Amino acid sequence: SQTIHQWPATLVQPVGSPLSLECTVEGTSNPNLYWYRQAAGRGLQLLFYSVGIGQISSEVPQNLSASRPQDRQFILSSKKLLLSDSGFYLCAWSPGADYGYTFGSGTRLTVV
Amino acid sequence: RKEVEQDPGPFNVPEGATVAFNCTYSNSASQSFFWYRQDCRKEPKLLMSVYSSGNEDGRFTAQLNRASQYISLLIRDSKLSDSATYLCVVNMMDSNYQLIWGAGTKLIIKP
Repeated sequence: SQTIHQWPATLVQPVGSPLSLECTVEGTSNPNLYWYRQAAGRGLQLLFYSVGIGQISSEVPQNLSASRPQDRQFILSSKKLLLSDSGFYLCAWSPGADYGYTFGSGTRLTVV
Repeated sequence: RKEVEQDPGPFNVPEGATVAFNCTYSNSASQSFFWYRQDCRKEPKLLMSVYSSGNEDGRFTAQLNRASQYISLLIRDSKLSDSATYLCVVNMMDSNYQLIWGAGTKLIIKP
């Protein structure tokens, strides 16, 4: 069966520090991968998606970036965090267009 | 107009009651529809897909009305554990890769 792993679960980082969140999927190949952010009490905001190794599409211009160095690995990064980057970051995968997404357990990021 | 709209609630419902949510979508060509459940401070989890003919899973029934462009979720005999935020999700037909998420309807079941 397929599983998705996301870490860390909780992170407190100072403003201006770098960020690296990692997500891996097991039990499938060539998944579509997604990074979402959810601010407190708000809906899901799509940040990046990827349909293959090295293929990244960005939905929202910001100081975040994403990379997919391996088929089942998706990384979210920032060189310098802003206070507004605080939120609940969720990685998700999907086998294709007509399927729903399966989410990782999320990373709760607080920038202080 | 938002692509997927939901009443944010909260819906305060007594245990054992029946509750229904609607969700409207703007793209008439959308083909895939889902209901997700999100517990507080947790990731969303797929509750059920919504099929054209409607579908039922235990106490949960989902319906699709293409003419009026809305989907519905009915919960019968509600339990305290049904308290959560319910997210309506629709695929975006101008991309193969993205789902469009409603902001969610918060449900609180009271004893």
